[in-house]
Amino acid sequence: EPEVTQTPSHQVTQMGQEVILRCVPISNHLYFYWYRQILGQKVEFLVSFYNNEISEKSEIFDDQFSVERPDGSNFTLKIRSTKLEDSAMYFCASSDQQRSYEQYFGPGTRLTVT
Amino acid sequence: TQLLEQSPQFLSIQEGENLTVYCNSSSVFSSLQWYRQEPGEGPVLLVTVVTGGEVKKLKRLTFQFGDARKDSSLHITAAQPGDTGLYLCAGPTYSGAGSYQLTFGKGTKLSVIP
Repeated sequence: EPEVTQTPSHQVTQMGQEVILRCVPISNHLYFYWYRQILGQKVEFLVSFYNNEISEKSEIFDDQFSVERPDGSNFTLKIRSTKLEDSAMYFCASSDQQRSYEQYFGPGTRLTVT
Repeated sequence: TQLLEQSPQFLSIQEGENLTVYCNSSSVFSSLQWYRQEPGEGPVLLVTVVTGGEVKKLKRLTFQFGDARKDSSLHITAAQPGDTGLYLCAGPTYSGAGSYQLTFGKGTKLSVIP
């Protein structure tokens, strides 16, 4: 069964450093998303991406964040200058065109900022 | 902002018992998704309910969407230890260009004791 994959599974970085989180969405999906989950809290929407453009972004997704689809398979989330409060699980998700509200999530990247 | 309230927050039951968990909102949703999440992993999609009053069955799990599409329930019959996990409901909000952002509830943490 096709699945969303994410790398790395765990990333430790120092405050102020740049990190890039990588995702490979399900191959025939056209809509891509990033969510995050701070330990013990709800899963929160960050950004949606379609046709090489951001469709929607939340208040969390400020100028420190960017997304990119550098090739036909990868989807990345970059945080330019990490803060302690960026420590969280980051989930990539994708959906197809027919049922774009039905999103399939990857296993997540645990980001720890020290 | 659309909110989803899930209850109960925690539920601990004996193997073989039945249980129901709830997902409520003051807003109407075009559909609702139920996910299950294991610690340190991404949410796994269980089902999508779309039509008001719809009932969907997945083995021992029965999902119902309220007539007014503001609430949903998950009923588990004869719970097994393998049902242990965090059950999340999520509702989509249209973001434009065919894309949706999901709003998640805090979840019900179910523990089934052998």
